[in-house]
Amino acid sequence: DAGVIQSPRHEVTEMGQEVTLRCKPISGHNSLFWYRQTMMRGLELLIYFNNNVPIDDSGMPEDRFSAKMPNASFSTLKIQPSEPRDSAVYFCASSLAGIAKNIQYFGAGTRLSVL
Amino acid sequence: GESVGLHLPTLSVQEGDNSIINCAYSNSASDYFIWYKQESGKGPQFIIDIRSNMDKRQGQRVTVLLNKTVKHLSLQIAATQPGDSAVYFCAENNQGGKLIFGQGTELSVKP
Repeated sequence: DAGVIQSPRHEVTEMGQEVTLRCKPISGHNSLFWYRQTMMRGLELLIYFNNNVPIDDSGMPEDRFSAKMPNASFSTLKIQPSEPRDSAVYFCASSLAGIAKNIQYFGAGTRLSVL
Repeated sequence: GESVGLHLPTLSVQEGDNSIINCAYSNSASDYFIWYKQESGKGPQFIIDIRSNMDKRQGQRVTVLLNKTVKHLSLQIAATQPGDSAVYFCAENNQGGKLIFGQGTELSVKP
């Protein structure tokens, strides 16, 4: 199994630009999670989907952030417009929900730098 | 002003010694717990899990202990190796489909 695949691995952009992060979950998993990790705040859950439907987006910082999951094998996290304080590592994770265990498997992350 | 980052607890051990990493969780209704390992430049990696109806679970070189009375979780690593150097996170499942992660502990293994 290839695991959770994220792209790009690194993104450098200028303030005000649109940024799109991509995620391919593990095949067969039905829950997908977007996290942000910074030195200041640690690992924060931004949003998660179950069966392609957003369940909880209470962690999304503000309206500049949006996430979509058009199908079971693809999700995007978009920041528009980006700001320097958005600089962080963004992780996508997937799991097989509906069973007792809730092991989330993480991708390698996208390191975002907004200048 | 000056920014202040998270000050991760750090555990430094000698290669070959046993390591114990502790975690306090917040929700007494949490029914499932996971330990993750995060190496530099990588995503968190699943190590071991435990349900709330157990108080101990063993894996390969790792043991997780759960004390529900004081809401405490620990991860024991036997014969610690340099490759074990990483940040370790505990996470609790609060029955809402989400995992709540702790701040992490940095383990440093001296050869």
